[in-house]
This record gives sequence, structure tokens and C-alpha cells, in this order.
Amino acid sequence: EAGVTQFPSHSVIEKGQTVTLRCDPISGHDNLYWYRRVMGKEIKFLLHFVKESKQDESGMPNNRFLAERTGGTYSTLKVQPAELEDSGVYFCASSVQPNYGYTFGSGTRLTVV
Amino acid sequence: DQQVKQNSPSLSVQEGRISILNCDYTNSMFDYFLWYKKYPAEGPTFLISISSIKDKNEDGRFTVFLNKSAKHLSLHIVPSQPGDSAVYFCAASGSGGSNYKLTFGKGTLLTVNP
Repeated sequence: EAGVTQFPSHSVIEKGQTVTLRCDPISGHDNLYWYRRVMGKEIKFLLHFVKESKQDESGMPNNRFLAERTGGTYSTLKVQPAELEDSGVYFCASSVQPNYGYTFGSGTRLTVV
Repeated sequence: DQQVKQNSPSLSVQEGRISILNCDYTNSMFDYFLWYKKYPAEGPTFLISISSIKDKNEDGRFTVFLNKSAKHLSLHIVPSQPGDSAVYFCAASGSGGSNYKLTFGKGTLLTVNP
């Protein structure tokens, strides 16, 4: 079984540019989560999808962040325009049920310069 | 305001000895606790968990202890092996509608020396 795949693994962009992160969950996993770890800090919840619906987006920092999951398969997280404080590692995770047994991807390291 | 705290950024132990990683929490609504292990360039991997109705859970070399009155949990690894060297995250979750959402600590880097 393929795991959670995130693309790209690394991204370096300039302040003010747009970046789109992609997450392919494990096939059949209706629940998809985004988390973020800013350098030296804890991993923080961003949002939760159930299929294509946003179940909880209380962790999204501001309206520069837009997450989508069209068709309930892969998800994208767009940052527009990117700011320096957006730098960090963005993790995606998925699960069959909305419980704690979810699988994380390897993350996308975003650096805004 | 950090609700889950791992006050030791790093820990170094000798192979074969016990590793004890500690975690404190402040939110009394948390009722489920997990430990994740993370290697560089990989995502966190679930290690072991414990419900608030228990005070101990064991899985092979890994044991998690929960002290609800002190709002403290710890992960014991016995015996420690070099392959256990990684960052360990403590995480907690509450009851109710958002019980899938995890609150993480900052992590503790464990180094097991051969």
C-alpha cells in the first residue's frame, strides 16, 4: 500500500510569490489533515477534510492560505502571497476514520526568502 | 499558549540503558495521548498511545505512563537501541467533536550512543 505522498519535498520561493503544495492520501482514506511545523516550534493543526468537505479549518493562519480537495482525492494547499513567516514544514496525513490512527506524509519544506 | 510541553529539547543515553522522555500538558480536556517518532526528512510515525482511563500502556520495549493528577506523561524505552535515535513528539487530543485534532509538543531529540 502506497503511503501519503507530498509534492514537492522542498520549495524555495520569494516573498510575495504563490506556492501550491500537494498531498495524495492513502487510497480509500476519506479523512485528510494538514499540519505545519514552523522552525523550532510544535507541529500545529491546520485543517481537516472529510472527502471533499472541510470539516474543520480552525487552524488556518489567515486568508492567504487556501486548501482544496476536489473530488475527495488529493488535496492542495495554496499560499498566496507567501510571507517570510510561512516558512516551515507542511505535513499532510490521512486516515480511514477520523481517529488518531492516521499516517503522515514526509512533508514539504517551504522556505520563503 | 503551549498546551503540550516537552521541556527537554534533547536527551542522550547509552545503548542498552533506559530512555525516559517526559511530557506535560495543561488542558484538562485532553483525554487521549500519543507518542510519535520522527526521523529526518520523514513524517511523524505513530509509536504508542494511552487513554486517560489508564495509567500505563506497554508495547514491547515501549511503555507510556500517564499521571492525570500531575498532567504528566512519560515514554520509557528499554533497552534503548541506536535505531531509536530520532525526535519524539508527545501529542494530545480532547473529547467531543474535535477529538481527531492533535496538539503536539515541540519534540525531544533522543540520541542513543553505541
